Amino acid sequence: GAGVSQSPSNKVTEKGKDVELRCDPISGHTALYWYRQSLGQGLEFLIYFQGNSAPDKSGLPSDRFSAERTGGSVSTLTIQRTQQEDSAVYLCASSLRVDQETQYFGPGTRLLVL
Amino acid sequence: DAKTTQPPSMDCAEGRAANLPCNHSTISGNEYVYWYRQIHSQGPQYIIHGLKNNETNEMASLIITEDRKSSTLILPHATLRDTAVYYCIVSPRYGNKLVFGAGTILRVKS
Repeated sequence: GAGVSQSPSNKVTEKGKDVELRCDPISGHTALYWYRQSLGQGLEFLIYFQGNSAPDKSGLPSDRFSAERTGGSVSTLTIQRTQQEDSAVYLCASSLRVDQETQYFGPGTRLLVL
Repeated sequence: DAKTTQPPSMDCAEGRAANLPCNHSTISGNEYVYWYRQIHSQGPQYIIHGLKNNETNEMASLIITEDRKSSTLILPHATLRDTAVYYCIVSPRYGNKLVFGAGTILRVKS
């Protein structure tokens, strides 16, 4: 079956521009998670959704970062006024429920801010 | 901060068992041990998890010490495709947020 998909796979943008990253979770999965992985760094939790609500936004690094999820499915991570330190791979994962132990990860979006 | 300690890298001969250790001396009673791996340029992949009993699935076995302060992931017959970064994570069953450390780079060599 289809796994988690993310688009675009690669994004190059100029400093100061806004970007939108999209995640399509596995069909029927109610929980959705965003992580990022900077070059040479580990994976860093950003935010998770249960349905359309985001109980935990603690990992968002600044108010330039926001995320939404509509219809309990697709999620968009938006970065406003991008900075060079935002360059990273942004990974999305989904699980059947928040209390379900296995998170299934997508291939990620590789963001480069020039 | 990650609550686990793993060796930065390990080598294993193809066809041999790969034993990856993890220390989690501050693990709480409600926390599980999870293992994920990340093959180059891919998203992480779930391998196995356990609470206190040893676990086995089609990918690997997980051995947790009686005091739960450490564990070992065993890949019984490593192949070149098992070359990856392996992450040991402790998290509550309903914790939803995975906290990744640096992991162990496993290199399987022919």
